[in-house]
This record gives sequence, C-alpha cells and structure tokens, in this order.
Amino acid sequence: DTAVSQTPKYLVTQMGNDKSIKCEQNLGHDTMYWYKQDSKKFLKIMFSYNNKELIINETVPNRFSPKSPDKAHLNLHINSLELGDSAVYFCASSLSYGGTYNEQFFGPGTRLTVL
Amino acid sequence: AQSVTQLGSHVSVSEGALVLLRCNYSSSVPPYLFWYVQYPNQGLQLLLKYTSAATLVKGINGFEAEFKKSETSFHLTKPSAHMSDAAEYFCAVSDGAAGNKLTFGGGTRVLVKP
Repeated sequence: DTAVSQTPKYLVTQMGNDKSIKCEQNLGHDTMYWYKQDSKKFLKIMFSYNNKELIINETVPNRFSPKSPDKAHLNLHINSLELGDSAVYFCASSLSYGGTYNEQFFGPGTRLTVL
Repeated sequence: AQSVTQLGSHVSVSEGALVLLRCNYSSSVPPYLFWYVQYPNQGLQLLLKYTSAATLVKGINGFEAEFKKSETSFHLTKPSAHMSDAAEYFCAVSDGAAGNKLTFGGGTRVLVKP
C-alpha cells in the first residue's frame, strides 16, 4: 500500500564509507526527487529525474550520484561519506514536472548518521 | 529565484486556541504555494495547496490558508488547536517550471499546551 518507500530507514556508518539509499514509488508517477533535511530541519532539493532522465541537479557534491534504473525507482549513492552528510534524506514523486504544478508525495525519510 | 520566509521557528498555542502560522514568499512568476506537515520521525504530508484557483484554500485536518498577492503571503490557520496538531509545518513555493522543484521555508514547530 505504501506509495513512496525508502530503504533503509536508518543508516549509521563511518566517515569515508560508500552507501546507497533506495527509493521506490508505486503511484505510476514519471518524476522523482531527492531532498535533504539538515539538523535544523531545513529542506533542500538535490536531484530530480523524469522518466529516468536527470532534470534537476542542484549544487551537490559529486560524491552524490543518483541513479534511476526505471521510472519507479530513484536511488542515491554517496561516496566517501563525510560528517556533514549526516541528515534525513527524503524521496518524493509526482505525476510529471512540467506545466501545471504536480503535487509531490514524500517518502518516510532515511536518517543517515556519519560517525 | 524563489524564496520562502516563515516567521517564527516555534509557536506555542493552547488547546482550543487559534493556530496562525505565517509564510511570505518571493517569486518572479505566479507561484504555486503549499503547506506541508511533518510529524516526528515521519515524512512530509501535504496539508493544502494554492494553484491559482480560489485564494482561500481549505486543507485537511481543519486547516486553511489565504493567498494574498499584495502581501506576498500565504498564512496558515486553524480555528481550534488540537493536541494532535503538534508537529513541524513547512511552507513551500514552486513556479511550476524549473523541474517542478519545491523551495521550502525554514519550518515552524507548533507546540500545543493542554
């Protein structure tokens, strides 16, 4: 029944490691997003994909690499993790991205802690 | 470029009292505006949205917001607070283009006192 799901929910790792977060949506949407929420609850978009193609790439270190194997999945891979990467990462999806605004549905978040 | 300012990072209200959360936006084009709620350790849930139809928008859980272009505001209200309204509230803006990205305000945490 879950519309937008993320795994894992919690991720604790050491500095320098590489980790991935997975996101899946079963809404039949074409567009998916990654947002980062920092320790002060500030939310900022990182990436957006439409039908497997990158359409938004905000100023994010190139250690972050999104991958969309199909339009229902958008994974986030992070290389050489740093302390500052500790945050909650939210995946979202919408029907499409152009023209009239399309509501975004958010996943439950993945809390990443880098030690 | 778009931006959102939420006045007050924390708001404390008594149960049964009016909830008023302030949001001002900046956008070079007619905006789409949203209020999201985040309960502890959960994702974001859409409360309501303004997409250029009626300026007074009703949402879920008894919340409503009024779009005022002259004041570039989209304040959120609820006539009577309930304990279950304790959460973090985010105002967000999109121009409908630029990849449909949402730009969020800093959030307002609502505490409801019995």
